Amino acid sequence: GQQVMQIPQYQHVQEGEDFTTYCNSSTTLSNIQWYKQRPGGHPVFLIQLVKSGEVKKQKRLTFQFGEAKKNSSLHITATQTTDVGTYFCAGPAGGGNKLTFGTGTQLKVEL
Amino acid sequence: KAGVTQTPRYLIKTRGQQVTLSCSPISGHRSVSWYQQTPGQGLQFLFEYFSETQRNKGNFPGRFSGRQFSNSRSEMNVSTLELGDSALYLCASSPASGAIYNEQFFGPGTRLTVL
Repeated sequence: GQQVMQIPQYQHVQEGEDFTTYCNSSTTLSNIQWYKQRPGGHPVFLIQLVKSGEVKKQKRLTFQFGEAKKNSSLHITATQTTDVGTYFCAGPAGGGNKLTFGTGTQLKVEL
Repeated sequence: KAGVTQTPRYLIKTRGQQVTLSCSPISGHRSVSWYQQTPGQGLQFLFEYFSETQRNKGNFPGRFSGRQFSNSRSEMNVSTLELGDSALYLCASSPASGAIYNEQFFGPGTRLTVL
């Protein structure tokens, strides 16, 4: 079945450093979504990418969808303590709203 | 608009028992999905309901079942609980029917502990 892997699994950074998480799918995706889950919280939708090679920015966050629509990345510039959490990518897995979530990257930001 | 609500928030059961979890989606949302989250397996899709019909199902045993009511509220049931069923159960609602833009709105989850 479809698998979605993310690397790295964990990342510790100093506040102000940049952070990137990579997402790779075993199958071509029609679109990809990104979610953030704070410690003790629930996943919160960040963005959805649909087009091959698409790049979207949200303030310090830059999301990219690969040309082959099998990979994606999330880059955070100048991390802040508010960026702490686990970042998941997710791709559609069949019809409806069924999603296959990536393995997640847990980000810790130290002062 | 109120967000997705789930009840109860915490639950402790013993092996062999059954449990029912409830989810109220955002008003107007007709799609409700359920996910199981564990440290070892991550976020795994259980099933999706749309207009009272199960539209998708994940790879879970038949002990896991669900339903959706006419007001879009959903319940999931786990029978004959096993220790491995201990997890955070998340409900997510969506306004769309699976079209391209189908943002999922998650509830706070129900933390189930099986002893």
